[in-house]
Parts: sequence; structure tokens; C-alpha cells
Amino acid sequence: NAGVMQNPRHLVRRRGQEARLRCSPMKGHSHVYWYRQLPEEGLKFMVYLQKENIIDESGMPKERFSAEFPKEGPSILRIQQVVRGDSAAYFCASSPAYNEQFFGPGTRLTVL
Amino acid sequence: AQTVTQSQPEMSVQEAETVTLSCTYDTSENNYYLFWYKQPPSRQMILVIRQEAYKQQNATENRFSVNFQKAAKSFSLKISDSQLGDTAMYFCAFMKHGGGSEKLVFGKGTKLTVNP
Repeated sequence: NAGVMQNPRHLVRRRGQEARLRCSPMKGHSHVYWYRQLPEEGLKFMVYLQKENIIDESGMPKERFSAEFPKEGPSILRIQQVVRGDSAAYFCASSPAYNEQFFGPGTRLTVL
Repeated sequence: AQTVTQSQPEMSVQEAETVTLSCTYDTSENNYYLFWYKQPPSRQMILVIRQEAYKQQNATENRFSVNFQKAAKSFSLKISDSQLGDTAMYFCAFMKHGGGSEKLVFGKGTKLTVNP
């Protein structure tokens, strides 16, 4: 049973470009969470999605960030017009229902 | 809102010895889970141990055990017989049970170094 997959593992963007981060949950998992880890910090919750629904986006910045989890395919975290402050590691976690979350390896975004 | 505090930014221990990492949390909830995650240099988040708040018995996983003090809102991790592979960042995390969004709230982490 493959674990949570994230791609790309590393992403470099110039200021003003768009970043798309993908997350494929574990088989049978219908809950996806996105977290951001700034350098020397713990992970901070961004958004929680179930298939075709955003359940909790209380941790998402109001502008430039969006997330989706379509009926088919991976969950996508999209950052428009990236700025240097968006440089971070972005982790996706999936869960079959509630409680334990399984993490992917993360995507490290660098904004030049 | 829940908060998680890890008061030890860095710790070190000699191989084969025992070390305890501290964690306190603040919540008004009664039904929740607590976790310790390990993040080695690879940055992969690995679940070390989990504790349900309604269980009085402390969780144990091989060399890892917790001291859960619900009234004091304390949740420390004890690592016995430390190994070089235990070198990592350790994060304490809180999860409210129910309410529609079971997001994890993390502390800032403790960097543990196991010395040979």
C-alpha cells in the first residue's frame, strides 16, 4: 500500500509565478490536510478537504492561495503570484476518517 | 484556540541513555488526541506515539513512552536506550476530536541530538 505521495519534491519559482503542489492520498483515504512549515518552525494547518469539498480553510491566507480535491485525481494546493515569504515546506496528510493522519514527504518551495 | 508549547528548543543525550522531551498544551476541550511526531533530516513526518485523552493509561511503543497528565495538560515523551537514529526534530501535536475539522496543532519542536 503506497504512502501519501507529493510532487514535485522541490519546486523553484520566481516572484510573481504560480506554484502548483500535488498530493495523492493513501488508497482508501478521503480526507486531505495541507500544512506549511516555515524554516525553524513547526507545521501550521492550512486547509482540510474531503472529495469535492473544502471543510476547513481557516489556516489559508485570504489571497493568492487556493486548494481543491476533485472527485478524480490528486489534491492541488495552488499559490498564485508567489512571493519570497511563500518559501517553505508544504506537507500533505491523509486520513481514512478521523484521528491519525499520514504525512507525505513534503514539497519544498523556493521563491527566487 | 488550542496551543502547544515545547519549552526545550534543543536537547542532547548520549547513546543508550534515556531522555525526556516536554510538552504542555492549552485547551478547553475534553475529548482530544495527543501525538508525538519525529522529523529526521529527510523531513518526512513520522508518527512516534499517540494518546487518547480519555485513556488514563500512558501509551507505549517499544522504546518510546509518554507521561500524560491530563489535569496539568502535560504530555512528555520518554525515549529509552537512545539510538543514533533517534536524532531528529520532535514535534508534539494536539487534535480535537469531533467538530468537523480534526486538524493537528503543532508545537515548535525540540531538536534532539544523540551523541555516540
